[in-house]
Amino acid sequence: RKEVEQDPGPFNVPEGATVAFNCTYSNSASQSFFWYRQDCRKEPKLLMSVYSSGNEDGRFTAQLNRASQYISLLIRDSKLSDSATYLCVVNGISFNKFYFGSGTKLNVKP
Amino acid sequence: DAGVTQSPTHLIKTRGQHVTLRCSPISGHKSVSWYQQVLGQGPQFIFQYYEKEERGRGNFPDRFSARQFPNYSSELNVNALLLGDSALYLCASSLDRPSHIANYGYTFGSGTRLTVV
Repeated sequence: RKEVEQDPGPFNVPEGATVAFNCTYSNSASQSFFWYRQDCRKEPKLLMSVYSSGNEDGRFTAQLNRASQYISLLIRDSKLSDSATYLCVVNGISFNKFYFGSGTKLNVKP
Repeated sequence: DAGVTQSPTHLIKTRGQHVTLRCSPISGHKSVSWYQQVLGQGPQFIFQYYEKEERGRGNFPDRFSARQFPNYSSELNVNALLLGDSALYLCASSLDRPSHIANYGYTFGSGTRLTVV
């Protein structure tokens, strides 16, 4: 079983839509969780950390469910510029190693 | 301030050759991690170095090696290249304080795109 699993998509949504991605992880001892964004042929960039109580950054909301071992990312009022691949990231047993999901591709259409 | 810098940006090698990739972390960051990203997949952890010592290793063959220098820059070496080594190689920089990593994650360089033919 992979350490981190994501639905690869693509998710094709119109501008202004709300879209949600989920990600499951296998190591119940994981402590750090992140969402990264990766544009085509570019490096991943940190979008937001995911905290136990859930957190929001503008149109983006991240949630953590430890009991079910999944994290989610909600994007409200989608913009064309949100089109990218969203990578779920979870740390391993130590902070020295992070596991990435394969990414979920989002296409926001006019 | 410069971000994480990697060189070269692109590289084409033939099977069996050796390659060296280079990374300079953000100023003040003491930890460097290397990741391999094959097309269509998420990055896979290769190594982490801190204070010139290996702190973590992923599931990669011994053909992959790395080192860190006193100025915290790092090299990733791959011997006996295979076609399957074609990928984007990413270097990630961090302060390596657990609280920092836990809250802020890593900052990646723009990567070296290696093509093995």
